[in-house]
Amino acid sequence: AQSVTQLGSHVSVSEGALVLLRCNYSSSVPPYLFWYVQYPNQGLQLLLKYTSAATLVKGINGFEAEFKKSETSFHLTKPSAHMSDAAEYFCAVSPGTYKYIFGTGTRLKVLA
Amino acid sequence: NAGVTQTPKFRVLKTGQSMTLLCAQDMNHEYMYWYRQDPGMGLRLIHYSVGEGTTAKGEVPDGYNVSRLKKQNFLLGLESAAPSQTSVYFCASSQSGGLWGEQFFGPGTRLTVL
Repeated sequence: AQSVTQLGSHVSVSEGALVLLRCNYSSSVPPYLFWYVQYPNQGLQLLLKYTSAATLVKGINGFEAEFKKSETSFHLTKPSAHMSDAAEYFCAVSPGTYKYIFGTGTRLKVLA
Repeated sequence: NAGVTQTPKFRVLKTGQSMTLLCAQDMNHEYMYWYRQDPGMGLRLIHYSVGEGTTAKGEVPDGYNVSRLKKQNFLLGLESAAPSQTSVYFCASSQSGGLWGEQFFGPGTRLTVL
């Protein structure tokens, strides 16, 4: 069975600091992995997705994530946080069928 | 393209009342989903559809029904609303399930059941 664990329901960083949001997954088949962002009172938007073509995936707004099979991780990073990055971030895994399994989310706060 | 739209955006119901949430997508996607989002619980799948005329139960289907009479529309019904159904409801669509295909989400419906 597939599952997703996001470590840390709340993360605070200073503006300009590194952003690191953690996601670990379990999957019995090669997974398809996604990061979504949700701004207040909005739906989820795709940040990036893992397509197996490259382990380092670049997304929108300067975010990237690295797929590490040995660690079953897909952590999201951004070198320098901006105030506009404050949002909730969701990691999701799919076995390739209709099913998407979402983590419980990490709320990112950016401090001035 | 409007993408995925949801109607209404907000609704307040009394216990026992019924209502229907409408989701529409203009991307010709085969798959459509209804989720509910509650604090600290992420998104939980209520029902989904893999094509026009099909529906299936997700993780938390009790108290909800759905219909997909047209490919572009996916309706979520609450026959007798309960306070436990107070939540934010999101509709999503995708072309090919999880195979390379990300989901596209609507803006959500915030439902309060008193």
